[in-house]
Amino acid sequence: NAGVTQTPKFQVLKTGQSMTLQCAQDMNHNSMYWYRQDPGMGLRLIYYSASEGTTDKGEVPNGYNVSRLNKREFSLRLESAAPSQTSVYFCASREGALSSYEQYFGPGTRLTVT
Amino acid sequence: AQSVAQPEDQVNVAEGNPLTVKCTYSVSGNPYLFWYVQYPNRGLQFLLKYITGDNLVKGSYGFEAEFNKSQTSFHLKKPSALVSDSALYFCAVRDRGTDKLIFGTGTRLQVFP
Repeated sequence: NAGVTQTPKFQVLKTGQSMTLQCAQDMNHNSMYWYRQDPGMGLRLIYYSASEGTTDKGEVPNGYNVSRLNKREFSLRLESAAPSQTSVYFCASREGALSSYEQYFGPGTRLTVT
Repeated sequence: AQSVAQPEDQVNVAEGNPLTVKCTYSVSGNPYLFWYVQYPNRGLQFLLKYITGDNLVKGSYGFEAEFNKSQTSFHLKKPSALVSDSALYFCAVRDRGTDKLIFGTGTRLQVFP
C-alpha cells in the first residue's frame, strides 16, 4: 500500500515548455487534489476532483489543466511553463465519505522554471 | 469566507518543554479543523482533527489540540517537545459545504536540544 505517489520528484523546465505531473493513489479514494506550496503562502489549491469524471477549479487554476484519468490517477499539466510556476506541487486524496475529511498527501514534485 | 490564521511564522522551544502552535479560524457555522505536519522534503501528514465532541482532541506523536469556540482558536499542543518534532505545521479548516480544505500559512517549529 503505497498511498499517494507522485512523479517526477524533481523537474527543471525552460520557460514555454510543457509537462505533466502524475499522481496516483491506491486507497480507493474518491476525491483528489492538486496544491502548490510557496514560501510564506502555505498550500494553495489549484484544481480538485470530487469524483472520477469531474474536475473543478481551485484558488489558483490559471496556467494549469488537469485530467482525472480514472479513480486512481489525477494528472496536472502545465501547457507553457512560466517562472511564476516554480513551486513544490503536492497531490492529495480523500476518501470522500461524509465523516472522512482528512486528506492524504504525496511526497511532492519540486519544479523549477528558468 | 472561511479562513485560518497562524500568527507565528516560527516557534522555538527547548526539548522537554511544553509547546504550543497557535491557530485561529473564521468560519460560518461549526468548523471542521485539522492539523498537519510537514517534515523536510516530505508531503504533509495528518495529525488530528476536530469535527464535534470533546474540545481536547488527541492525535499522532503525542500531539493534542484544544478547540475554543469563544476564542475561535484551535491551538496545537504537546506536553514535552522532542527535537524530532521540529517541522512545519499547518492548520486547516474545511471549506463549508465542500470537500476542500483551506490551509494556514504554516508555523515552523524548532526544538532545541
